[in-house]
Amino acid sequence: KAGVTQTPRYLIKTRGQQVTLSCSPISGHRSVSWYQQTPGQGLQFLFEYFSETQRNKGNFPGRFSGRQFSNSRSEMNVSTLELGDSALYLCASSVGGGGAEAFFGQGTRLTVV
Amino acid sequence: GESVGLHLPTLSVQEGDNSIINCAYSNSASDYFIWYKQESGKGPQFIIDIRSNMDKRQGQRVTVLLNKTVKHLSLQIAATQPGDSAVYFCAETFDNYGQNFVFGPGTRLSVLP
Repeated sequence: KAGVTQTPRYLIKTRGQQVTLSCSPISGHRSVSWYQQTPGQGLQFLFEYFSETQRNKGNFPGRFSGRQFSNSRSEMNVSTLELGDSALYLCASSVGGGGAEAFFGQGTRLTVV
Repeated sequence: GESVGLHLPTLSVQEGDNSIINCAYSNSASDYFIWYKQESGKGPQFIIDIRSNMDKRQGQRVTVLLNKTVKHLSLQIAATQPGDSAVYFCAETFDNYGQNFVFGPGTRLSVLP
């Protein structure tokens, strides 16, 4: 069974640009969550999508957005990039219920210069 | 590449010894907890979970203990091996509806030969 796949693995962008990251969940999983990981703040929850609807949202500015497609694949977008957005962005998939195991991808390393 | 904090608490143990990693969680309403292992350059890997109606759960070489009175979680690894070297995170969720995990800061486990 294939795991969670995130693309691209590495990305370098310039301040002010926007970026789109992609996540393909484990087959059959309907929930996709996104996390930001930085040395200073650790792992922080961005948002969760379930059946194409945003079900939970963390405390991030509106520049961070996402969506989910009918095949459960998800994308997250960051607009007007700032240097502080440099981080490892992780996607996790789950069958969907609260209290269900979440399986992570390897992440996308975003560097903003 | 590095993906976790540079100044994490570190636990060093001799190969073959048992390891105990501790975590204080933040919300007394949390009802589901997961321990994750993260190796350098990889996403977090699920180790074991426990629900709030349990005090202890055992897996292969790992045991999780939950003390709800003091909001404390621990992960015990028996016969620690070099491959156990990684950063370990506890994660809690208090949202029965969806996937919205709050992660602890992490502990770096170093296994000495």
